[in-house]
Amino acid sequence: KQEVTQIPAALSVPEGENLVLNCSFTDSAIYNLQWFRQDPGKGLTSLLLIQSSQREQTSGRLNASLDKSSGRSTLYIAASQPGDSATYLCAPPRRDDKIIFGKGTRLHILP
Amino acid sequence: KAGVTQTPRYLIKTRGQQVTLSCSPISGHRSVSWYQQTPGQGLQFLFEYFSETQRNKGNFPGRFSGRQFSNSRSEMNVSTLELGDSALYLCASSLQGPQETQYFGPGTRLLVL
Repeated sequence: KQEVTQIPAALSVPEGENLVLNCSFTDSAIYNLQWFRQDPGKGLTSLLLIQSSQREQTSGRLNASLDKSSGRSTLYIAASQPGDSATYLCAPPRRDDKIIFGKGTRLHILP
Repeated sequence: KAGVTQTPRYLIKTRGQQVTLSCSPISGHRSVSWYQQTPGQGLQFLFEYFSETQRNKGNFPGRFSGRQFSNSRSEMNVSTLELGDSALYLCASSLQGPQETQYFGPGTRLLVL
């Protein structure tokens, strides 16, 4: 059974800092891993999708890495901005297509 | 391209009633997945439909059901509502399935009194 853990559960950092969000999963038989952000009371927005054959994916100030052997993924956010404040969720879908989400990391960027 | 739309956005029901939620995927997307989000349990997978067939189901009781129409629009139904069914219900669409980038709708917030 897939279990997904995200650490830390909450994080507050001053604007401009670089930060790392962590995601660990127990079932490494995954096709890929997706990172999402969710603003309060709203749906999810896909940020990055890393194929299982890839080790990282970049989009603007975001960089996500994937290490299937250790069951870990990290999301790196460079030069954080107040608009980055949101909850970040990782989701590694299994080969049977069932997606298990982590509980998320609540990020607050202090102006 | 229009995004994923969900109706209604807000709903208040009483225990024992039933409810139907609707999801219209992005044009051309054939896979629709449904999720329940609560503060305690987080995001939990309900089921996924592809070409009018349920391909996957999460661990929810039979009171939760769904269907998909030939135009890929999907509905989910919850019968005999319980207080614990109060949640944000999200649907997501993709071209072929959850292994691809998922596009989420804004959700339907259901309150059961």
